[in-house]
Amino acid sequence: GAVVSQHPSRVICKSGTSVKIECRSLDFQATTMFWYRQFPKQSLMLMATSNEGSKATYEQGVEKDKFLINHASLTLSTLTVTSAHPEDSSFYICSASPALNYEQYFGPGTRLTVT
Amino acid sequence: RKEVEQDPGPFNVPEGATVAFNCTYSNSASQSFFWYRQDCRKEPKLLMSVYSSGNEDGRFTAQLNRASQYISLLIRDSKLSDSATYLCVVNLIRSQGNLIFGKGTKLSVKP
Repeated sequence: GAVVSQHPSRVICKSGTSVKIECRSLDFQATTMFWYRQFPKQSLMLMATSNEGSKATYEQGVEKDKFLINHASLTLSTLTVTSAHPEDSSFYICSASPALNYEQYFGPGTRLTVT
Repeated sequence: RKEVEQDPGPFNVPEGATVAFNCTYSNSASQSFFWYRQDCRKEPKLLMSVYSSGNEDGRFTAQLNRASQYISLLIRDSKLSDSATYLCVVNLIRSQGNLIFGKGTKLSVKP
């Protein structure tokens, strides 16, 4: 089956620093990747949709200058949380979708803690 | 009104029990429907898609009622390993698009 990896799986950083999270599709080419965030006991919320080679589309309420997304290749998308604050602490999950297929395959997630 | 609503549970059932989860969605334009399973502190994994005619996969049966905008999941002969949170998910369009997740229903199967 399709495999999506994320790195790192867990990160602790200090307030004000930036953190980069990588999402890779290991055995398929992903024209579209999605970034989600999940706070404790809450549902997954879509942050942005990323298409290879173009700018990401952000959901309402998600600051594009704070959450920088780069989808430079068909197998890699990165999310950079800039100037992180404690309220950014959350579980960040990416998913990838192969071309011509609406199924999304999820990465294992990255747990971010900002102190 | 929330886009996808589920009873959060928890549902505590003994092994071997049959348990049913329900879900309602608000957007009548929703095209695709899924049940995902999420274990604690893990990513969601697709359990099954839900088709208009209803579909079964082993011990799992999913039903869709478009008129009532209602989706259900039935688990027969519960196993300990079925303990997880079950997420009802809808997609507004058939092709690639964002998934709208419910908060999930927690199931705990006891010996």
